[in-house]
Amino acid sequence: LAKTTQPISMDSYEGQEVNITCSHNNIATNDYITWYQQFPSQGPRFIIQGYKTKVTNEVASLFIPADRKSSTLSLPRVSLSDTAVYYCLVGPYNAGNMLTFGGGTRLMVKP
Amino acid sequence: EAQVTQNPRYLITVTGKKLTVTCSQNMNHEYMSWYRQDPGLGLRQIYYSMNVEVTDKGDVPEGYKVSRKEKRNFPLILESPSPNQTSLYFCASSLSWADGDGYTFGSGTRLTVV
Repeated sequence: LAKTTQPISMDSYEGQEVNITCSHNNIATNDYITWYQQFPSQGPRFIIQGYKTKVTNEVASLFIPADRKSSTLSLPRVSLSDTAVYYCLVGPYNAGNMLTFGGGTRLMVKP
Repeated sequence: EAQVTQNPRYLITVTGKKLTVTCSQNMNHEYMSWYRQDPGLGLRQIYYSMNVEVTDKGDVPEGYKVSRKEKRNFPLILESPSPNQTSLYFCASSLSWADGDGYTFGSGTRLTVV
């Protein structure tokens, strides 16, 4: 699986847009990019997945440039409840048995 | 409600005393997996199962056993727990091993081995 690099932590304020970037220079042709959210003492929760360009759902947007060597998770108008750890994972669509979570990005939303 | 249920949520036990952590899902998912989470190490996969009677080792299988006799249940067994197995454990499931859309995780089991 491609190695990913994310910032260890980020701070933001309520109502702001937060962008978390993940670098994956060795991404393979058949790799997808998936983001998870984890609150303290809870299991990770799937947020969004994409292959290229832009994907949007009710929770977030995922921006993937043409070279796919990075991706950006965008959270619009964050609230205190968005304080969590966010994980970027890169792997084949059928990598169900190979999900490896790195350290993630700890997002702290302040009032 | 679609969910993955783990029991117990918290467990304190002594070294060497066999224990089982149960995991059950009500979504008819084929794929199930166990992870442990330790500070600074992220989530590491212990065992996974692609379907009934099909299991395989993940990254850190030593000291653990699993079974998949029914589709909905995937218990994690520690035959002789040791203090280095003190950790936060998560069970996860998905529709199939080829389902890249995401995994549903349980609420976790915090295990302390003294």
